[in-house]
Amino acid sequence: DAKTTQPPSMDCAEGRAANLPCNHSTISGNEYVYWYRQIHSQGPQYIIHGLKNNETNEMASLIITEDRKSSTLILPHATLRDTAVYYCIVTDKLIFGTGTRLQVFP
Amino acid sequence: EAGVTQFPSHSVIEKGQTVTLRCDPISGHDNLYWYRRVMGKEIKFLLHFVKESKQDESGMPNNRFLAERTGGTYSTLKVQPAELEDSGVYFCASSPRQDRELFFGEGSRLTVL
Repeated sequence: DAKTTQPPSMDCAEGRAANLPCNHSTISGNEYVYWYRQIHSQGPQYIIHGLKNNETNEMASLIITEDRKSSTLILPHATLRDTAVYYCIVTDKLIFGTGTRLQVFP
Repeated sequence: EAGVTQFPSHSVIEKGQTVTLRCDPISGHDNLYWYRRVMGKEIKFLLHFVKESKQDESGMPNNRFLAERTGGTYSTLKVQPAELEDSGVYFCASSPRQDRELFFGEGSRLTVL
C-alpha cells in the first residue's frame, strides 16, 4: 500500500489560504489521492479526492503534480473552524497516517 | 438524509466483559467499514463489508473481535472478552461504491476498565 508523508503541523492566519502538502512517491497508477480531516474527536470528514487532474469543490482545491508523486490541499480562505488534523491517503482501504495538524489563528 | 449512525456513543465495561457496537450506514450504501483509534495512535482499518460479505478483514486484531452484517444493512462489532488495550474510539463508515468517498459516523468510544 502506498504511503504518504505530511508535515506534522502547520499554522495559518484566518482568511488566508492554507496549503497542505503531501508526498506519495510510491503511488500506483490507479490509486486516488483522498483528503479527510478530523475535527477534535469527531468522525473523519471527507474533503476531496482526485486521480490525475486538479479538483475543486465547495470545501477545497486539490493540486496533483504531473508525476502524481505529491499533492497539495488548498483551503482558499481558512476559518477558525478549519482547525483540524488533515489526512492525505492514497489507498482504497484508507490507511490513515499521522496527518497534519492545522491550527488557524485569528 | 440520515448520516452514518453509531450506537452506543460511549460504553464503559470491565475487562472480560462483552460489548457490541452497532453501525447503521447511509441507506443504499453497500460498502461498510470499521476503523478504530486507540489512544495516541493512528486511525486503523479493521474491516470492510460489501453488502453482507466480508471483503477485507485484514485489520481485525484477533479472534476476540467479531463483525457481522446480516442482511447487508446494519453491522455489529462484538468484542468478547474485552481487554484493556481495546479501549479507543471505533468508527464506522459507509460508501456507495468502493472508489467513492467514505462517510463516517461520530464513533463509539469504548473504555475497558
